[in-house]
Amino acid sequence: DGGITQSPKYLFRKEGQNVTLSCEQNLNHDAMYWYRQDPGQGLRLIYYSQIVNDFQKGDIAEGYSVSREKKESFPLTVTSAQKNPTAFYLCATKGAGKGRETQYFGPGTRLLVL
Amino acid sequence: AQSVTQLGSHVSVSEGALVLLRCNYSSSVPPYLFWYVQYPNQGLQLLLKYTSAATLVKGINGFEAEFKKSETSFHLTKPSAHMSDAAEYFCAVSTRDFGNEKLTFGTGTRLTIIP
Repeated sequence: DGGITQSPKYLFRKEGQNVTLSCEQNLNHDAMYWYRQDPGQGLRLIYYSQIVNDFQKGDIAEGYSVSREKKESFPLTVTSAQKNPTAFYLCATKGAGKGRETQYFGPGTRLLVL
Repeated sequence: AQSVTQLGSHVSVSEGALVLLRCNYSSSVPPYLFWYVQYPNQGLQLLLKYTSAATLVKGINGFEAEFKKSETSFHLTKPSAHMSDAAEYFCAVSTRDFGNEKLTFGTGTRLTIIP
């Protein structure tokens, strides 16, 4: 089954804890993105990666970290420095060639603070 | 900086009526423009996109949008609303940031269909 998978669907974080959200794709896309969605604010870019072993900060990177060791995977860690982590997190990918302007989205992970 | 404005955070229409969701953008260069739909607790699904070919773009589920450069608009329409159209809709513009394309999103419009 092709596409983008995000796990878990729901994630609970205790205060002071780091948690990692998974994003995996088998579309052979080079670029991957992480967005945060809050009610009434649309989507805001956290980090993105154009190629393996390289990534850039987006508009709201503080309190987050990423890695891109494999083309298929782009995990996002929400650190204890992120004081308001409750949100819906979306991963997206973008390929090269025809349709290279289009981002495709995973099903999302909802992070809640205990 | 690029930006997207979606007029109306909530829109209600009767089943069978015209759906019109408004989107205006700012861009100093020819943009790529997108409409995405999101159902509750799901990811975003591409409805349609404008990539500098035809100005009237047809998408899935009977939606279409028209790119009007003079008005910097890309409004989404559907002639007859269906109950299954109830969802949140996002307009987005693609921008270039030091050679890397980025998407800038509007704040979304929640569409409610009245039976």
